[in-house]
Amino acid sequence: GIQVEQSPPDLILQEGANSTLRCNFSDSVNNLQWFHQNPWGQLINLFYIPSGTKQNGRLSATTVATERYSLLYISSSQTTDSGVYFCAVGTSGSRLTFGEGTQLTVNP
Amino acid sequence: EAGVAQSPRYKIIEKRQSVAFWCNPISGHATLYWYQQILGQGPKLLIQFQNNGVVDDSQLPKDRFSAERLKGVDSTLKIQPAKLEDSAVYLCASSLDPRGNSPLHFGNGTRLTVT
Repeated sequence: GIQVEQSPPDLILQEGANSTLRCNFSDSVNNLQWFHQNPWGQLINLFYIPSGTKQNGRLSATTVATERYSLLYISSSQTTDSGVYFCAVGTSGSRLTFGEGTQLTVNP
Repeated sequence: EAGVAQSPRYKIIEKRQSVAFWCNPISGHATLYWYQQILGQGPKLLIQFQNNGVVDDSQLPKDRFSAERLKGVDSTLKIQPAKLEDSAVYLCASSLDPRGNSPLHFGNGTRLTVT
């Protein structure tokens, strides 16, 4: 099956800092999604981004499918951005495989 | 629109007992998923339904886990008998596209503790 590797595994920031999270995957995909799991365990879909670039407020994501990676950018981080960020990938009709996540802590 | 609804929120059982979880997906979503998330790990797919039919249950421990999706809407996941290693959060998700190529939306999950 597809292997998904996320980096870094842990990240600690001061409020206001910017960060980049990376997701590498081992095979061609046409389904890639980023999620945020908050400290209460709720998983929120941030982006459906099998290719290209999307932006939503302070968050943006870029997927370069031909080079098998995706990046999630967080600008001007806030304490509410804390939690675990997951990348999940798959091919059409197949299961989404999740990475192990990046644990982000934003300190005030 | 209403999100994915799951119940119960928490469940504590003894090993060898049985338990059932319920999920109501977002209205109109063709694809429904059950994931298991063990503490410190990413979610792992247990079973994927497209309407009434099972698309992928390759990672479902079929000797103890079962799931059904009646009339292509609600779904239940059952564990019988439970083992200690089944302690996890069970997440239900749905997506609009029948092939899953659209954003996945998760419910709040059921936290299961097996003692």
